[in-house]
Amino acid sequence: DAGVIQSPRHEVTEMGQEVTLRCKPISGHNSLFWYRQTMMRGLELLIYFNNNVPIDDSGMPEDRFSAKMPNASFSTLKIQPSEPRDSAVYFCASSRDSRGAFFGQGTRLTVV
Amino acid sequence: KQEVTQIPAALSVPEGENLVLNCSFTDSAIYNLQWFRQDPGKGLTSLLLIQSSQREQTSGRLNASLDKSSGRSTLYIAASQPGDSATYLCAVLDTDKLIFGTGTRLQVFP
Repeated sequence: DAGVIQSPRHEVTEMGQEVTLRCKPISGHNSLFWYRQTMMRGLELLIYFNNNVPIDDSGMPEDRFSAKMPNASFSTLKIQPSEPRDSAVYFCASSRDSRGAFFGQGTRLTVV
Repeated sequence: KQEVTQIPAALSVPEGENLVLNCSFTDSAIYNLQWFRQDPGKGLTSLLLIQSSQREQTSGRLNASLDKSSGRSTLYIAASQPGDSATYLCAVLDTDKLIFGTGTRLQVFP
């Protein structure tokens, strides 16, 4: 398996633009997590899905953030409109039951 | 609310030393605990996974222990090498959530 695949690896966008981050989890995994990592706050859990259903989105910072998982092999995290303080590395991870989580390489987002 | 703490925040040691990284969590009702390594600018690599029913796991020079009752885990690195320099994070699986500590930044110098 190729592991968790995230795209793009880097994204630079202007304030106010819409940003969409993509994640393909490992085949057969039933949980998917979106995290944001910054120097100030470390790794923050934004939202997680179980069997494609959002379970807890309490970590999503504002209504500007939304996430979807239309099927077991694809998820998106959207920011609309983007702001400079959204600049961070966004990670996607997947797991199967309690067998350990595996992370993608992350998307480094810069909003100017 | 589950909180995960790691100490020390940073550690600098000479090559060859054995060292211990600590992780503590506030709610012992966890499914598992996982140790990760993160190199600068990279993603997280899973090192060891300990299920809640287990006491320890070993992989090469790494050994992780888990004491659920006291809410603690340790990662032991034997005979440290410069290539071990990275940030080490522990995470607990609490219900369906994977909650991370703030990490220990390790530097091993020759």
